[in-house]
Amino acid sequence: AQKITQTQPGMFVQEKEAVTLDCTYDTSDQSYGLFWYKQPSSGEMIFLIYQGSYDEQNATEGRYSLNFQKARKSANLVISASQLGDSAMYFCAMTLNQGGKLIFGQGTELSVKP
Amino acid sequence: EAQVTQNPRYLITVTGKKLTVTCSQNMNHEYMSWYRQDPGLGLRQIYYSMNVEVTDKGDVPEGYKVSRKEKRNFPLILESPSPNQTSLYFCASGRGPLHEQYFGPGTRLTVT
Repeated sequence: AQKITQTQPGMFVQEKEAVTLDCTYDTSDQSYGLFWYKQPSSGEMIFLIYQGSYDEQNATEGRYSLNFQKARKSANLVISASQLGDSAMYFCAMTLNQGGKLIFGQGTELSVKP
Repeated sequence: EAQVTQNPRYLITVTGKKLTVTCSQNMNHEYMSWYRQDPGLGLRQIYYSMNVEVTDKGDVPEGYKVSRKEKRNFPLILESPSPNQTSLYFCASGRGPLHEQYFGPGTRLTVT
């Protein structure tokens, strides 16, 4: 069965610094997709970035990049130049190419300090 | 405006009283799904639908029903709610499971 693990329940980062949020996954499938979503205190879920298992390059979206290490089964989110508005809960998620299940990790609460 | 809507946004009900949470999307997405969010557990998928009339169980389907009679709507039905179904519920849609999911605003359900 697939599993997503986020081992950091909470993290602090200084404004303008970079921060890495950890995500490891477990699947025996070779074809899958990995996502990161942000949930601010207002509650909405916001898509940040996607990485396919066959993508050769790490995904990037503005200040967000996904450090994809397939052999280690990790998909860490890197946020560069943190801003106060980055304070939120962050969720890693995975789906397989076959089927429609989407599973999420427990989340990491990020607090950006001024 | 492209969006996923859910109704109601807040609901307090009693054990055993059947309820339906509606979900509608205006993006012509084929894939829709329901999640519940509980502290420390992240989001857990309840049901998903790959297309009209095609639904399948997620990780926590017990106590829930869904239907997909039209592409845009995917209601979540609790036939006999129990207090352990008190949670924050999200509906989402996307072109498919391997694509960005658009989430509704959430429905906070309390069952007493």
